[in-house]
Amino acid sequence: AQSVTQLGSHVSVSEGALVLLRCNYSSSVPPYLFWYVQYPNQGLQLLLKYTTGATLVKGINGFEAEFKKSETSFHLTKPSAHMSDAAEYFCAFSPRGFQKLVFGTGTRLLVSP
Amino acid sequence: GAVVSQHPSRVICKSGTSVKIECRSLDFQATTMFWYRQFPKQSLMLMATSNEGSKATYEQGVEKDKFLINHASLTLSTLTVTSAHPEDSSFYICSARVYSSRPTASYEQYFGPGTRLTVT
Repeated sequence: AQSVTQLGSHVSVSEGALVLLRCNYSSSVPPYLFWYVQYPNQGLQLLLKYTTGATLVKGINGFEAEFKKSETSFHLTKPSAHMSDAAEYFCAFSPRGFQKLVFGTGTRLLVSP
Repeated sequence: GAVVSQHPSRVICKSGTSVKIECRSLDFQATTMFWYRQFPKQSLMLMATSNEGSKATYEQGVEKDKFLINHASLTLSTLTVTSAHPEDSSFYICSARVYSSRPTASYEQYFGPGTRLTVT
């Protein structure tokens, strides 16, 4: 079965600290992987995506993620958290050649001063 | 570019009435749009895939007759919740599929801001 798992429904960090949000996927075909951010009562905004090629992907707002096939992971990181990063983050997966997105359950990032 | 709008942003209706939600791609054409439902503090659940000029494809468990989808043009898809009940209260989000050639060729989805439906 194809699925996405996000470890930790909530992650709390201090402002300036490293952000690490975990995502693992299960797929029988090569995946496209995405990270989206959602602010309260808003739609989703694409942070970054992996399709092919370089496994370290850089996105907007200083975020990056690394595709590790051997670990079936696509963890999201940011070196230094900012208060404005507080939001809900969704990892999503699409089997290559298909158009549907399968979303993880989301991780709420809390940033304290 | 790739802006998707939804209207209305919030709607409150009485049980038994129907509600229409519009999803528009503002600066591009989208042959394929998607409708999602999101319950509080939960992930997005794909309801259906809307293709311009053809019938929508519904996910398993989604009632076709209750959630009517029409994709009449390349910039507009509508979701009508018919005979709404309180359990239909939710956050509905649409997205439009866009082909992106950078950094590699793939499809992306751009999401609307969502519509919060409350059925009383």
